[in-house]
This record gives sequence, structure tokens and C-alpha cells, in this order.
Amino acid sequence: GQNIDQPTEMTATEGAIVQINCTYQTSGFNGLFWYQQHAGEAPTFLSYNVLDGLEEKGRFSSFLSRSKGYSYLLLKELQMKDSASYLCAVEGYGGSQGNLIFGKGTKLSVKP
Amino acid sequence: SQTIHQWPATLVQPVGSPLSLECTVEGTSNPNLYWYRQAAGRGLQLLFYSVGIGQISSEVPQNLSASRPQDRQFILSSKKLLLSDSGFYLCAWTSGYEQYFGPGTRLTVT
Repeated sequence: GQNIDQPTEMTATEGAIVQINCTYQTSGFNGLFWYQQHAGEAPTFLSYNVLDGLEEKGRFSSFLSRSKGYSYLLLKELQMKDSASYLCAVEGYGGSQGNLIFGKGTKLSVKP
Repeated sequence: SQTIHQWPATLVQPVGSPLSLECTVEGTSNPNLYWYRQAAGRGLQLLFYSVGIGQISSEVPQNLSASRPQDRQFILSSKKLLLSDSGFYLCAWTSGYEQYFGPGTRLTVT
């Protein structure tokens, strides 16, 4: 079966660092994505990992270990506007390119 | 630049009524297009995808159907809505490995 797990909720303090974990079991692997979704809005693309290692993009970094079926999203210097849901998604094999399997998302609350 | 439009933004429909949601993409040709649904407490679920005009693939059996009458138009339909069809419907397209989402339609079936 296909399964993507991530924590339901997390809370962190403004200015701090938070790590959101994601584990996956899918039939094949073509890449792992992180999206940010503010309440009532569409998801926006944050990062893409297809090889093992860390990808850094400003305050956000994403890590992937394919052998462990594991990824994390690291958010540094948290700001209040980072309060949102963070979605982990995997592109598996089969079907068309871009068919993503999404986790249920992690709701992050940033407090002052 | 590419943009994706969806309408309506919100919709309240009674059980048993028909549905038509429209998605159009600008600034690109022959995009792969996707319909997702996000129900309360659940992750985004892929419903349909299309690689070209008239080509529709369904990921899950359901009460909905999709059509692609033009290259940059993707339509989600139902003949008779169920309560379980309520949710946030998102259209998306891919550019390389990035998937871009439209603003979504929030459907409430009463």
C-alpha cells in the first residue's frame, strides 16, 4: 500500500527552529515534495528532493533519505506568517508524471 | 507567466443536484492537469489527471467525472451530488517537477 505519515500538529516559538518529519511507504519513488498551505488557501510549492541529502532554500531546508523512507522540512528563524499546514507528498511510479500522494499535513502554530 | 483559474470560489449545493467546476490554465500549452479533493481531516486526494485533450485517468472510483474539452480547460462534474462530495477541490498543473495549484473551490453539499 501507499502511506505517508507526518505529525498532525506542532507548536513552536517565533525566532526558533522547527523540524517537521515525514515517513513514506510507496510503490516506487520519483521524488518527494513539501508544500505550504495557509488556512483556506491552495498549497504552494516549497521544495523537491529526489536524491539523498539536504536542499537549502533560504529559511527552509528539506532532507531526504531514500533508504529510510524519511524526509524532514526544517524551518529556521520562525515568523508568525509561517503558521500554516505543511504537506509532504511523494511521486510514485505508475500513472502520469506528477501524480502525487499526499500526507494529511502538519499544522504548525508559531507563537510569539 | 503561467496562471491557473478556478471557479466558482465557493459553492453550496443540495444533495442530488448536478455539479460543474471549471479550471483553465494560461501561459502554457499541453499541460498535464489534475483534480484533487481535500476533505476535512484528510490529505489531498488525487481524483483525475489528464495528459491531453480527451484523455482522462481516474485514480479512485467515485461519484464524479472529468473532461478536458480544450487543451487548457479541465472540468469536474457530477450528475448527482452526495454529502460525501463536500470538500476543497483543487486543480493543478505541472511544469517540470513542480506542481502548481489553482485557488480552489470550496464545495458544501447540504
